[in-house]
Amino acid sequence: QQQVKQSPQSLIVQKGGISIINCAYENTAFDYFPWYQQFPGKGPALLIAIRPDVSEKKEGRFTISFNKSAKQFSLHIMDSQPGDSATYFCAASSLYNTDKLIFGTGTRLQVFP
Amino acid sequence: EPEVTQTPSHQVTQMGQEVILRCVPISNHLYFYWYRQILGQKVEFLVSFYNNEISEKSEIFDDQFSVERPDGSNFTLKIRSTKLEDSAMYFCASKRGSGYTFGSGTRLTVV
Repeated sequence: QQQVKQSPQSLIVQKGGISIINCAYENTAFDYFPWYQQFPGKGPALLIAIRPDVSEKKEGRFTISFNKSAKQFSLHIMDSQPGDSATYFCAASSLYNTDKLIFGTGTRLQVFP
Repeated sequence: EPEVTQTPSHQVTQMGQEVILRCVPISNHLYFYWYRQILGQKVEFLVSFYNNEISEKSEIFDDQFSVERPDGSNFTLKIRSTKLEDSAMYFCASKRGSGYTFGSGTRLTVV
């Protein structure tokens, strides 16, 4: 019940295209859903996060869509750029219970010019 | 922008040896964490630390592991007797509100 399932494992997108990464969770106590971007040799960096009281959050080219009833959330990267090439992790936590992050398995995104 | 600083960036140690991984969290953060990432796998929670004590630990964090905040700025992870399977990237993180800040990690290689 603590798992967060992430797909796809890898994604290849052309420059200017839309990258979509999906995650699903089971634990209804989760109330915080961040996405992290990780470049090789670096730590995860917070990209964008959402709480379950909204269905969408947009920051620049990055959008989280959240479906509470389906227990799914996704990251959309619009106008994907070669500089977006990285590994993306979704995560979930329950800020009022235990605040440890449960990470998805990661998606390696490659954006080709 | 404030950073979480980890040292060393890479540590090679022999099996059975003790290692100490060091972290300097962001100065006004109150919650501290260690996570690890085995090569090519997901990031896994090890331990959380608040108010000078462990608030939660995972199954991975057995008696061989310990954490300490010896002064007002450092946060350390000690592995008493390293095993080959301890080889991983170890990330320190800190937070004040909801957002974590991760360090760049220490790559631990046990030979």
